[in-house]
Amino acid sequence: QSVLTQPPSVSGAPGQRVTISCTGSSSNVGAGFDVHWYQQLPGTAPKLLIYANTNRPSGVPDRFSGSKSATSASLAITGLQAEDEADYYCQSYDSRLSAWVFGGGTKLTVL
Amino acid sequence: QITLKESGPTLVKPTETLTLTCSFSGFSLTTDGVGVGWIRQPPGKALEWLALIYWDDDKRYIPSLKSRLIITKDTSKHQVVLTVTNMDPVDTATYFCVHSAGVGSSRQFDSWGQGTLVTVSS
Repeated sequence: QSVLTQPPSVSGAPGQRVTISCTGSSSNVGAGFDVHWYQQLPGTAPKLLIYANTNRPSGVPDRFSGSKSATSASLAITGLQAEDEADYYCQSYDSRLSAWVFGGGTKLTVL
Repeated sequence: QITLKESGPTLVKPTETLTLTCSFSGFSLTTDGVGVGWIRQPPGKALEWLALIYWDDDKRYIPSLKSRLIITKDTSKHQVVLTVTNMDPVDTATYFCVHSAGVGSSRQFDSWGQGTLVTVSS
């Protein structure tokens, strides 16, 4: 059971918009710690996709965006492409556990 | 350009000690705010943060495994070493070395090594 809760899977057709939620609690997201998102393509290492809730590292398309409110965060992907098919993880810090924590991951399928 | 690469055994026996080395380039572990950490991923499962060492030699460990983990750095060799004692089959995972940046505890892992799969089996 992950500290941050994500849906196991989401799907969408090419060109559509999908969102992935990340629900935390008052000891992590709700405590003001930033949420970061990672994309893991099959058979590869994760890659930082969104940092500090809403920021994209250089090279990440603006089709990817992040938001945060209260005890949850969301990753939105617009103009879905086949190459977006991957696992997505959210990450934050938990003050009760004194540990950096990840969500359980969401598998995105492009139909 | 930041690069990290993990090295170590691919197979260890139960109760043995695992030693993994992360060799990095493109940054200095003496720079204020920089950290290098280890994250693992069992086959088909989620990511789990294990340990982090800061530029000032401060160290953080996941509480559930703290008694079994040791992280050290050699800044002159641009290396970070993770030791995991008393390995068990449940420790079978791909172990990633990561560069960490950010403010305080709100830090992200912005560069990752390719990972190394460690299998624990007799």
